[in-house]
Amino acid sequence: QVQLVESGGGVVQPGRSLRLSCAASGFTFTSYAMHWVRQAPGKGLGWVAIISYDGSNKYYADSVKGRFTISRDNSKNTLYLQINSLRAEDTAVYYCARDPSMYTSDFRFDYWGQGTLVTVSS
Amino acid sequence: QSVLTQPPSVSGAPGQRITISCTGSSSDIGAGYDVHWYQLLPGTPPKLLIYGNNNRPSGVPDRFSGSKSGASASLAISGLQAEDEADYYCQSYDSSLNGVVFGGGTKLTVL
Repeated sequence: QVQLVESGGGVVQPGRSLRLSCAASGFTFTSYAMHWVRQAPGKGLGWVAIISYDGSNKYYADSVKGRFTISRDNSKNTLYLQINSLRAEDTAVYYCARDPSMYTSDFRFDYWGQGTLVTVSS
Repeated sequence: QSVLTQPPSVSGAPGQRITISCTGSSSDIGAGYDVHWYQLLPGTPPKLLIYGNNNRPSGVPDRFSGSKSGASASLAISGLQAEDEADYYCQSYDSSLNGVVFGGGTKLTVL
């Protein structure tokens, strides 16, 4: 069965950096685009970024452009999100999610991980 | 605020039918992009409920249905059950933002 397991969250001071990971299993990771989506406490869902199945294309929400970098290591079946210059408003649960279309993207999500909490606080 | 507009809350009694609206614009739903719906139960990750406007993934009861017209979409839940109490989000794609957009979410209360 499809499993997505995020890790790397925690309490971080403003201005610091953090790298989140998402370990994928139960499907051919190399065939699917992947997304990061976040949910701030008490707020709604917010899309963060997408990376194509082979890592050649990446797109970001305007709110994170220039500070967030999405990447993947297909040899390790792992998705990453590098977050730099962390701000209080980045406090959220970060989910990795699979795009259901093979070798392209439908810009939707069929499987989600459990999420990892990032808290930005001094 | 969110690109797609949903009512903050809806409620209904067990057995009743409710609908949740999702209003977009000419650059997202109105441009022909599909609408998808997710259910968030407390403490659990989002679950895909409806995709491609009106399709249910396997395992989702047929009590859940979706529709789309113009720049708006709706999620209907019939035969309301206590376990349907959750937050519901619509989602689409926005060509002017070149990315995914969500509604602000609707909290469903089963009375």
